[in-house]
Amino acid sequence: AQRVTQPEKLLSVFKGAPVELKCNYSYSGSPELFWYVQYSRQRLQLLLRHISRESIKGFTADLNKGETSFHLKKPFAQEEDSAMYYCALRGFGNEKLTFGTGTRLTIIP
Amino acid sequence: GAGVSQSPSNKVTEKGKDVELRCDPISGHTALYWYRQSLGQGLEFLIYFQGNSAPDKSGLPSDRFSAERTGGSVSTLTIQRTQQEDSAVYLCASSPAGAGELFFGEGSRLTVL
Repeated sequence: AQRVTQPEKLLSVFKGAPVELKCNYSYSGSPELFWYVQYSRQRLQLLLRHISRESIKGFTADLNKGETSFHLKKPFAQEEDSAMYYCALRGFGNEKLTFGTGTRLTIIP
Repeated sequence: GAGVSQSPSNKVTEKGKDVELRCDPISGHTALYWYRQSLGQGLEFLIYFQGNSAPDKSGLPSDRFSAERTGGSVSTLTIQRTQQEDSAVYLCASSPAGAGELFFGEGSRLTVL
């Protein structure tokens, strides 16, 4: 079975402060991890995936297999980062994507 | 090109009625997913279609829920004898085979009175 846990339903951060959205997963094989984001009145969209190892909109996420985590980080929050963030997992050889319950990030001006 | 299209965008129905939700995926995408988005529940997987393979129905919450995909393109999610707990936003997504990235529609908001 594959499971994704996002422990924080709500997170508020001041503009300019660092952001970390937590994601832990449970999967016995080799997973692919993703972060999806939904801005107000927009569709859910891919933010980044761990195999790309790239920074998108200043966000990065590192897969830590030892801690089974894939936390999303940004050093300096911006107001436009306010959104709903979902962590997702896909098992090897399986196209089904399992999502966490999401974290609503609010950036305080 | 057009993205994933869902209809209706909003549906209000009475308890016990049947509803049909439609999804038009991106042309050429062989994978199609249905998810349910509820407050506090996140994104709940319902069903997944890939090409001509048998669908993965493991997420359907009860036998009142069914889905079909005709001609490898348009999909319809049907909920029979709706209950108040079925109220949610139903999201459809499509993906090129093996690509991993899902492209979502805007969703169909279902309210059961």
